[in-house]
Amino acid sequence: GAGVSQSPRYKVAKRGQDVALRCDPISGHVSLFWYQQALGQGPEFLTYFQNEAQLDKSGLPSDRFFAERPEGSVSTLKIQRTQQEDSAVYLCASSLDVGTGEAFFGQGTRLTVV
Amino acid sequence: QKEVEQNSGPLSVPEGAIASLNCTYSDRGSQSFFWYRQYSGKSPELIMSIYSNGDKEDGRFTAQLNKASQYVSLLIRDSQPSDSATYLCAVNGENTDKLIFGTGTRLQVFP
Repeated sequence: GAGVSQSPRYKVAKRGQDVALRCDPISGHVSLFWYQQALGQGPEFLTYFQNEAQLDKSGLPSDRFFAERPEGSVSTLKIQRTQQEDSAVYLCASSLDVGTGEAFFGQGTRLTVV
Repeated sequence: QKEVEQNSGPLSVPEGAIASLNCTYSDRGSQSFFWYRQYSGKSPELIMSIYSNGDKEDGRFTAQLNKASQYVSLLIRDSQPSDSATYLCAVNGENTDKLIFGTGTRLQVFP
């Protein structure tokens, strides 16, 4: 596709429910990033993939958060036993090469935990 | 101290004026610096990247980098109401590809 695609755009989950957020990066992009953005804040880094390898997951807030990119393309961010503090916009970004840093973002998934 | 710091604003400028947005960062090993624009309810959009000291111009936008002072700025000339948005400064470090973002500066351009 032309850009980074994320689905769903909006997700309402009951507290304790598991959710899965999907990211389809720009075709051929090596690097893929997940960010969490709370209202009025900048994006906070969660995790980073280079192809299928998860090179950095230092930003994942707890072991309830898990991300994968098994074939080096589509990625899924899974949140288990959602809590109200997980409510945020989850942004996915991809970049063509390692080290260029020019990352392009998808539209985001707005997660609301009730 | 946050890794990337920005004044949250709002910065209000009249139409046609120059808007100056500033950012400081803490990691001296940082190599790449970016400005993203984010409209309300939308995702960040890359508008400028800069990698070496000095100025880089692209249309009405000029990015300025001073690594010695750990300072990055964005100038927007001839500001338009459509430039009203939050501007995010992002930095990646010496040995990592992850971008660290500031909290953003909200710019308001009034007619």
